[in-house]
Amino acid sequence: GAGVSQSPSNKVTEKGKDVELRCDPISGHTALYWYRQRLGQGLEFLIYFQGNSAPDKSGLPSDRFSAERTGESVSTLTIQRTQQEDSAVYLCASSLQGRGYNEGQFFGPGTRLTVL
Amino acid sequence: AQRVTQPEKLLSVFKGAPVELKCNYSYSGSPELFWYVQYSRQRLQLLLRHISRESIKGFTADLNKGETSFHLKKPFAQEEDSAMYYCALKTLRQLTFGSGTQLTVLP
Repeated sequence: GAGVSQSPSNKVTEKGKDVELRCDPISGHTALYWYRQRLGQGLEFLIYFQGNSAPDKSGLPSDRFSAERTGESVSTLTIQRTQQEDSAVYLCASSLQGRGYNEGQFFGPGTRLTVL
Repeated sequence: AQRVTQPEKLLSVFKGAPVELKCNYSYSGSPELFWYVQYSRQRLQLLLRHISRESIKGFTADLNKGETSFHLKKPFAQEEDSAMYYCALKTLRQLTFGSGTQLTVLP
């Protein structure tokens, strides 16, 4: 594909429901990142996948958040029992290699999550 | 812990005027810094990297380790430069972003 894609683009859910967000990275990119962007704030790192290594989950805000990645392809971010403070834009990015930032990270368009 | 600070949430300049978007960082390691830009209704994209010492769209940024700064500059702003700008610091595994500066270039 031409770039990183994310789905859905918008998600409205009720408090307490589970949601699943999807990210398709650029083909061949071994590193994949999830960020959260609350209104008026910067990007907050959530989780990082690099190849077959154990993911870096240090940014996940609570155990309600989890993410998986199948090989070097699609990733899903799951938020269980959503809360209103989870409302944000969730951004996915990919890069050729985790430590090789020379080309920077390529971002998807984001999923705007609204928890009512 | 690493931190990136962009002190200005909003910045307005007139077309043709110089513009400087401030970025300061704190990091115990050797810093590697980036500027990302997000134009209206577009996705976040890389603008420039300090290691490349490049000029993109007329913008430059110099890493000043003494002042721990990586300010973004352009001598003559254009209306199409209006966007959200984020400074980012590479750490071992991730990018740490500042909170962003919304630049508006007035006609």
